[in-house]
Amino acid sequence: GENVEQHPSTLSVQEGDSAVIKCTYSDSASNYFPWYKQELGKRPQLIIDIRSNVGEKKDQRIAVTLNKTAKHFSLHITETQPEDSAVYFCAARILDQFYFGTGTSLTVIP
Amino acid sequence: GAVVSQHPSRVICKSGTSVKIECRSLDFQATTMFWYRQFPKKSLMLMATSNEGSKATYEQGVEKDKFLINHASLTLSTLTVTSAHPEDSSFYICSATPWTGNRRDNEQFFGPGTRLTVL
Repeated sequence: GENVEQHPSTLSVQEGDSAVIKCTYSDSASNYFPWYKQELGKRPQLIIDIRSNVGEKKDQRIAVTLNKTAKHFSLHITETQPEDSAVYFCAARILDQFYFGTGTSLTVIP
Repeated sequence: GAVVSQHPSRVICKSGTSVKIECRSLDFQATTMFWYRQFPKKSLMLMATSNEGSKATYEQGVEKDKFLINHASLTLSTLTVTSAHPEDSSFYICSATPWTGNRRDNEQFFGPGTRLTVL
């Protein structure tokens, strides 16, 4: 199956600063890349996604970029707030299956 | 958005018993559902793809006789952990992707998860 790597595993930022999380994938057939936010003990929630025919997508403070040639995609959160603290997962979809990165625990320090 | 439910949310059982977990799509049909396992502070590991009306497709390293999957209808998939042991203790999450006409929507919707503890 697909192999998705995610970095960093933990990230601490001061409130108001930006946070960037990066993922790489191995299979060029992957065509859909969602990002999920998961709070402790809860289900993952989709926060933004990007399809393989798009290079960048933005939704308010959140943006995702995709480089198909290099097979990597990144999540950017600007003006971080304490409620952004959570674990973030990237994923890549190939055919019907979703494969997840290892997660990034983001802490926003007030 | 679409809603996926899971039952039970939490189960504690003795070693050697079997546990069934249900995953339901409440407001859409799902010909395919997915089962994941998540260890504390770890990522979601895809265990198997549940296909309505046919056998599930298991990921490498997942024992199909240990984790029985049945997808009997377009809105229900079940995962049965047979002869559970303490090492099976984990957070199990299902997800489903809506089928819209002749095109499957990209977005997947997760159930709330089931915390299994095997004593």
